[in-house]
Amino acid sequence: DIQMTQSPSSLSASVGDRVTLTCRASQTISTYVNWYQQKPGEAPKLLIYFASNLQSGVPSRFSGGGSGTDFTLTVSSLQPEDVATYFCQQSYGAPWTFGQGTKVEI
Amino acid sequence: QVQLVQSGAEVRKPGASVKISCKASGYSFTSYAIHWLRQAPGQRPEWMGWINAGDGYTRYSQNFQERLLISRDTSASTVYMELSSLGYDDTAIYYCARRELGGVLYFVHWGQGVLVTVSS
Repeated sequence: DIQMTQSPSSLSASVGDRVTLTCRASQTISTYVNWYQQKPGEAPKLLIYFASNLQSGVPSRFSGGGSGTDFTLTVSSLQPEDVATYFCQQSYGAPWTFGQGTKVEI
Repeated sequence: QVQLVQSGAEVRKPGASVKISCKASGYSFTSYAIHWLRQAPGQRPEWMGWINAGDGYTRYSQNFQERLLISRDTSASTVYMELSSLGYDDTAIYYCARRELGGVLYFVHWGQGVLVTVSS
């Protein structure tokens, strides 16, 4: 199975800060990475698919990048509503695995 | 609009089985695959398996291969997930999610989740 490792596990930042979350795959997976945002009591919400494609309706302050084994999710200007846990997921092959999450606080 | 509506919370004893439903609406049911994932408290989501709602083909994670059954009823636009031989570590929220069309796998539409509690 492909292991996905996220860092940091948690972070605290201020409103307006630029924040970058990292995800590393245990093997090369091209750009087959998705990013989800999850708030307490809710299902995950897709933000980015195929490493850098912004899902419709998601604010443009979210962006994704990377290829191979190293990937990033960047929030250009952190907003109060961005408080959540963020998960990366590899879509290279089954079983489709997730990172352990990064909890973002303000 | 696309909706996936799941059945209600369940409590089971160890060794029992649970069957959860996921009713789809707002799209052509047989044109998409439905995946099942679960998330234990404070943990990452875990992929369990999927079904092609059109032809009923299924594929399961090896972690659940021997005790997971995913089925569908096309007349009711509903997918079912049955997990048997429950243990305490099966306590989790179980989600259904629709895979979008195209070559890349990702999930836009999710059910609301069903809490399954395994307790003696």
